Amino acid sequence: AQKVTQAQTEISVVEKEDVTLDCVYETRDTTYYLFWYKQPPSGELVFLIRRNSFDEQNEISGRYSWNFQKSTSSFNFTITASQVVDSAVYFCALSEEGVIQGAQKLVFGQGTRLTINP
Amino acid sequence: DGGITQSPKYLFRKEGQNVTLSCEQNLNHDAMYWYRQDPGQGLRLIYYSQIVNDFQKGDIAEGYSVSREKKESFPLTVTSAQKNPTAFYLCASSIGVRATDTQYFGPGTRLTVL
Repeated sequence: AQKVTQAQTEISVVEKEDVTLDCVYETRDTTYYLFWYKQPPSGELVFLIRRNSFDEQNEISGRYSWNFQKSTSSFNFTITASQVVDSAVYFCALSEEGVIQGAQKLVFGQGTRLTINP
Repeated sequence: DGGITQSPKYLFRKEGQNVTLSCEQNLNHDAMYWYRQDPGQGLRLIYYSQIVNDFQKGDIAEGYSVSREKKESFPLTVTSAQKNPTAFYLCASSIGVRATDTQYFGPGTRLTVL
């Protein structure tokens, strides 16, 4: 069965520090997709990245970077030089092909609440 | 601007009442979803719809009902049968239902039962 674990419930750092959010997943499929979403205090989930299981290249987007390692079933997210605006709850999610009558099922981790202090 | 709107932002309900949460999208997406989020937890799927006039139960459908009469709209009714309805409800849509299709979310409705 699909499962996503975000072991860090809350993280608090001082502005400009680097911070890594961990995500470990379980799946039996060889084809799957991993996502990260940001949920600021307003509540809306903002899509950050999608990565497929065949692409293990790390990705960098500005201060954000993602490290995908199939060997450890992890898809970790690093924010470099954190800013107060990065404060939010971050969710990692996993989807597989054809789990529900041909439709995707997106399984979320519990989320990590990140607080960046000035 | 394309996007997903949910209304109202805050909703208060007395016990025993049914309430309907609105979700509209102008992204021309075929698939729409409803999730429930409880404090400190991830999102759980209530219902989803792949196409107009079709919808399927998710993991926690009991006490909820939906309709999909228009492509743009996917309202969720929280019925009196839902024993613990106080939660944050998020609507999402995606272009299709393949695993690669990214889901985009609305701003959410916070429901409180008084």
